[in-house]
Amino acid sequence: DVKVTQSSRYLVKRTGEKVFLECVQDMDHENMFWYRQDPGLGLRLIYFSYDVKMKEKGDIPEGYSVSREKKERFSLILESASTNQTSMYLCASSLNRDQPQHFGDGTRLSIL
Amino acid sequence: EDKVVQSPLSLVVHEGDTVTLNCSYEVTNFRSLLWYKQEKKAPTFLFMLTSSGIEKKSGRLSSILDKKELFSILNITATQTGDSAVYLCVRDTSGTYKYIFGTGTRLKVLA
Repeated sequence: DVKVTQSSRYLVKRTGEKVFLECVQDMDHENMFWYRQDPGLGLRLIYFSYDVKMKEKGDIPEGYSVSREKKERFSLILESASTNQTSMYLCASSLNRDQPQHFGDGTRLSIL
Repeated sequence: EDKVVQSPLSLVVHEGDTVTLNCSYEVTNFRSLLWYKQEKKAPTFLFMLTSSGIEKKSGRLSSILDKKELFSILNITATQTGDSAVYLCVRDTSGTYKYIFGTGTRLKVLA
């Protein structure tokens, strides 16, 4: 079974802090994704990576950056957290473009 | 606009009922349509449909895609309380890695 692990289930941070969300997959998947999920807006893609050190902006990249130094790990960085970044963050990975994405359990992030 | 529309938005049924969840989309240029189940945490993968008219089945769940009429359905027979979840319909985008997500159908199965 595919295992996508997100480092924290719940996280509370303060406005202006730099926040790191970590995601690890154990299936040697090429592609990794970061989404946020908000009520009424569904899942929206923040960034994705199709290879180590490669990244592409999704639909809502503003205020975020990512890092993929190793194939199994994809980090989402909130450079200076703001209250409008309070959300559920979901990481996903897929073997390639023709295979389904598999999701981690999510990190519920609150910015105070 | 490139949207995935799911209906109904929410549904309450009793155990043993059969439900049909609907998904319609607006473009024809895509490779696959997917269904996910989301309970309290991660969406879990159910089906990937790439060909029109071929039913995919897993236990009490089944799904089919109609590329001519631009819709898909997810059927659940003999529903159980454990089927209570949000069901997401997702379309991939040809030539990119992006998914287009529907906003989901919230299903509640009462004992």
